[in-house]
Amino acid sequence: GENVEQHPSTLSVQEGDSAVIKCTYSDSASNYFPWYKQELGKGPQLIIDIRSNVGEKKDQRIAVTLNKTAKHFSLHITETQPEDSAVYFCAASTDNMLTFGGGTRLMVKP
Amino acid sequence: GAGVSQSPSNKVTEKGKDVELRCDPISGHTALYWYRQSLGQGLEFLIYFQGNSAPDKSGLPSDRFSAERTGGSVSTLTIQRTQQEDSAVYLCASSPSRGRDTQYFGPGTRLTVL
Repeated sequence: GENVEQHPSTLSVQEGDSAVIKCTYSDSASNYFPWYKQELGKGPQLIIDIRSNVGEKKDQRIAVTLNKTAKHFSLHITETQPEDSAVYFCAASTDNMLTFGGGTRLMVKP
Repeated sequence: GAGVSQSPSNKVTEKGKDVELRCDPISGHTALYWYRQSLGQGLEFLIYFQGNSAPDKSGLPSDRFSAERTGGSVSTLTIQRTQQEDSAVYLCASSPSRGRDTQYFGPGTRLTVL
């Protein structure tokens, strides 16, 4: 089955700096890659997603890149703010199922 | 519109008791998923319902776990003879259709087994 690795597990940045979270996947048939943000005590919320027919997607301060050849995708957050502090999960979709990475705890220091 | 709702939000039970967790998906969503999230961990897939098809139970950790979905809408996850290792947050998600569409998550039920 699919296996998704996510790094780093924790990330601390200064407010205003950029944050990058990276994921790799194993199944070349995966074709949909969402990113979720989970705040304390809440369920994961989708923040951005990308399908396998594009290489990059941006939404304001958030961008995702996909390299199908290398089977990795990344989340980029620019101009980080304290409210960006949360746990972020990547996922890859194969055979109608999402497989999640282990999560990254992002801490943005004011 | 209303999102995915789950009840109860918190459940404390004694080892050996049975518990039922409820999920109300977004209206019209045909796909429904259950996940388990242990403290500080990622999401572990449990079971998947798609329309009237037989559910995919491949993620259920033991036969103490079962789930049903009545009328293609509300779902109940049942854990029999709970063990301390069952303590976790149980998350439900729904999707407009199978496969590539986004999954929308509920707030979860935090289960504590004493």
